[in-house]
Amino acid sequence: GESVGLHLPTLSVQEGDNSIINCAYSNSASDYFIWYKQESGKGPQFIIDIRSNMDKRQGQRVTVLLNKTVKHLSLQIAATQPGDSAVYFCAEQGGYQKVTFGTGTKLQVIP
Amino acid sequence: DVKVTQSSRYLVKRTGEKVFLECVQDMDHENMFWYRQDPGLGLRLIYFSYDVKMKEKGDIPEGYSVSREKKERFSLILESASTNQTSMYLCASSPPGTGGYEQFFGPGTRLTVL
Repeated sequence: GESVGLHLPTLSVQEGDNSIINCAYSNSASDYFIWYKQESGKGPQFIIDIRSNMDKRQGQRVTVLLNKTVKHLSLQIAATQPGDSAVYFCAEQGGYQKVTFGTGTKLQVIP
Repeated sequence: DVKVTQSSRYLVKRTGEKVFLECVQDMDHENMFWYRQDPGLGLRLIYFSYDVKMKEKGDIPEGYSVSREKKERFSLILESASTNQTSMYLCASSPPGTGGYEQFFGPGTRLTVL
């Protein structure tokens, strides 16, 4: 999962397996939780969001789970592909226009 | 597709220089943001703007200023660059109605201050 520090947590996954990236958030009052993907040499790209009154939301090959009891957010990627290799950031929106990003998790897909 | 462009991919400046980083978006978005990204620290918000000539401080505004004279353009200014401002700078924009959380990012400017 994501953490504060100098070293980026890395998750290595075999191609075709499912990936689970975890994130702990801090603000119980956040309205939305968001996942971004950043490929090498590019800016972050929005993947999926979940509103605070939901527990689960599915997109194309991705599922986000929200557990407000333990302030935990996860991103599940089904059938991980080489193109999924990137750094993934969770983020939370507490105030209008104010988005706080986590420190990121690097996903490495092993062919 | 939304396109956010940043004026330079790589920039090298000397301590004390005034530095301008330019960002342009082509989707008529009201909201624009400047972040810096450092290893292990994620993205930290420097300033954002929700309208022309409007600006709000983010989490780390010290040593920076911004300018938004036109809707499509948001500039970040380092008044007197210092070595601790060596970083990757990311610009983003977002449309109204999303609360600002669905942001579209530019490719980033890697600034080195010597």
